[in-house]
Amino acid sequence: QVTLRESGPALVKPTQTLTLTCTFSGFSLSTSGMCVSWIRQPPGKALEWLALIDWDDDKYYSTSLKTRLTISKDTSKNQVVLTMTNMDPVDTATYYCARIPASGGSCYGSWFDPWGQGTLVTVSS
Amino acid sequence: NFMLTQPHSVSESPGKTVTISCTRSSGSIASNYVQWYQQRPGSAPTTVIYEDNQRPSGVPDRFSGSIDSSSNSASLTISGLKTEDEADYYCQSYDSSNRNWVFGGGTKLTVL
Repeated sequence: QVTLRESGPALVKPTQTLTLTCTFSGFSLSTSGMCVSWIRQPPGKALEWLALIDWDDDKYYSTSLKTRLTISKDTSKNQVVLTMTNMDPVDTATYYCARIPASGGSCYGSWFDPWGQGTLVTVSS
Repeated sequence: NFMLTQPHSVSESPGKTVTISCTRSSGSIASNYVQWYQQRPGSAPTTVIYEDNQRPSGVPDRFSGSIDSSSNSASLTISGLKTEDEADYYCQSYDSSNRNWVFGGGTKLTVL
């Protein structure tokens, strides 16, 4: 059974750096074609894709947020970490991590399944 | 870069059929697969359709997906509506040019 769980602070202050950890089980991120991604959802708003890391340690970021994001993995711990710098109240959201299974040998173009339960991060002074 | 546009909300009665559209702003809808996710209040999204028209195991065959190149859009159709289908639905595709995943704005389905 594949599961993912997000962890991190519930509250951060403006200008601080957010660090979130996704701990997963049931698959290995060293398996060819496998990827893990981060997605966020402000309260009452739509989903927004943030970043992805693949089995080969390639990383891709949202065009609009790439200057603020860093994604990394620790394969031995089955963890993926996302950092977001210079947090602002508009970054208040539920942050999800999700696996992207390989389709046709690659996760690129594939879908998010499953998702973690999400963690709500509030940015406020 | 492209956007995916969905209607903000749709409503229909139990037992009826509803279709939710997802229109791609530029480039061909057929260029990359479209997925559909269901999100109930307070829960994470789950996949109801992947690769345009494939259903994950456990998703009832009342859910179907299609794409239409003439309108450059994808559609999610839910037949035999049940109150439990009331949720937000998001379409999603992939932008090969910049390796970004793209979500639609979501559609709130009300079954009344």
